[in-house]
Amino acid sequence: EAGVTQSPTHLIKTRGQQATLRCSPISGHTSVYWYQQALGLGLQFLLWYDEGEERNRGNFPPRFSGRQFPNYSSELNVNALELEDSALYLCASSGLTGTQETQYFGPGTRLLVL
Amino acid sequence: GNSVTQMEGPVTLSEEAFLTINCTYTATGYPSLFWYVQYPGEGLQLLLKATKADDKGSNKGFEATYRKETTSFHLEKGSVQVSDSAVYFCALSSSYKLIFGSGTRLLVRP
Repeated sequence: EAGVTQSPTHLIKTRGQQATLRCSPISGHTSVYWYQQALGLGLQFLLWYDEGEERNRGNFPPRFSGRQFPNYSSELNVNALELEDSALYLCASSGLTGTQETQYFGPGTRLLVL
Repeated sequence: GNSVTQMEGPVTLSEEAFLTINCTYTATGYPSLFWYVQYPGEGLQLLLKATKADDKGSNKGFEATYRKETTSFHLEKGSVQVSDSAVYFCALSSSYKLIFGSGTRLLVRP
């Protein structure tokens, strides 16, 4: 069974640009989560999507946004990039009721903002 | 609010030594508890989980028991290997999101 996949693996942008990160969940999973792992700040929850809707949002500014598509894949968009957005962005997915809480992670997209 | 506290690293052990990584939590109710492992340059892998008090999660020789009375979920392994060198994260589930500890780096020397 294929795991969570993310693309691209690495992304280099300059300050002020926009970044788009993509995630495909495990087949059959309907929920997608995004986390940021920045140096010195640990792992922080960004967004949760389920059945195409944003269900929960972490303490991040509105320039962090995303969406979930009908096939349950997801996109994270970061607008007006700042240097401190440099981080590893991890996507996770979880399945239906009963297994909803167990999140399985992808390999991440490493974003570098210059 | 809910939170997770892990012991500071790095933890350096010799191969075949006993491992304990402490994890305590603060939460309302009884959240599910998890240990994830992150190998260099990779994402997070689920190591084990426990969903209720006194549950013991285990995988690949690692174990952790959900202790409600001490609000703890310490990770243990009887005999570590060089290949266990990684960063270990304790986490709890809160409103469908995971709250992580700061991570503990483990280095196992041959």
